[in-house]
Amino acid sequence: GAVVSQHPSRVICKSGTSVKIECRSLDFQATTMFWYRQFPKQSLMLMATSNEGSKATYEQGVEKDKFLINHASLTLSTLTVTSAHPEDSSFYICSAPGLAGDNEQFFGPGTRLTVL
Amino acid sequence: SQQGEEDPQALSIQEGENATMNCSYKTSINNLQWYRQNSGRGLVHLILIRSNEREKHSGRLRVTLDTSKKSSSLLITASRAADTASYFCAWTTDSWGKLQFGAGTQVVVTP
Repeated sequence: GAVVSQHPSRVICKSGTSVKIECRSLDFQATTMFWYRQFPKQSLMLMATSNEGSKATYEQGVEKDKFLINHASLTLSTLTVTSAHPEDSSFYICSAPGLAGDNEQFFGPGTRLTVL
Repeated sequence: SQQGEEDPQALSIQEGENATMNCSYKTSINNLQWYRQNSGRGLVHLILIRSNEREKHSGRLRVTLDTSKKSSSLLITASRAADTASYFCAWTTDSWGKLQFGAGTQVVVTP
C-alpha cells in the first residue's frame, strides 16, 4: 500500500517558537493532503486541506495565520505551527488519499508536539 | 468538527470473544471507513463500505451500514490481544475525500 511519512516524530519546543512538520508521500503523488490534530484520548479533528500549487483550505475555527500550510510539490506538504504555545501541544497527523478513487486515506505516523 | 458518536467509548474483552462497536453520523455520506490506531501511532485503514452497501466482510471484520439510521457497526470476531487499539469510524461527504471522525472506541483484549 501507499506510504506516508512524517518528520519529525517528536518535537519539544519553547513557547513562542515556530515548528515545521513535514508530510511526504513516499511512493505516490498526492495533489491533496489533509492535516489533523488529535488531543490525548480524543478523536482526530480535521484542520485543513493542503492543495498542491494553491492555498490550503482551513476548517472553521482553525487559524490560518497560526497553522501555515505549504504544499510545494506533489509529494510534500508542510505544516508550520507559528509562535507555538502550550495549548498547541498535540498529536498532528497528515494523510493523503490513495489512488483507487474510493477516498481511502493513508495516514502518516504522526508528530507529537510538546510546547513548554 | 466531529459530527458523530461512537459507542461504547471503551470495551474490555477476553481473547476469543467478539467485539462490537457502533458509530453514528449526522450527514449524508459517500462512504464510511473504519480505522485502527495503536497508542501514539498513526491510523491504519481497516475497511471501507460505500453508501449503497449494507454489509461487508474482511477477514475477522464485519461492517454494517444503515444509511436510514445514519449508523454503522464494526464487529471483530475471535479477538486477539493484538487487536488492542482504538477504533475510529470516519466518513466522507465530498469528492475530495476529507474525513470526519467519530469519537472512537478503545478496545482492550486481555489474554
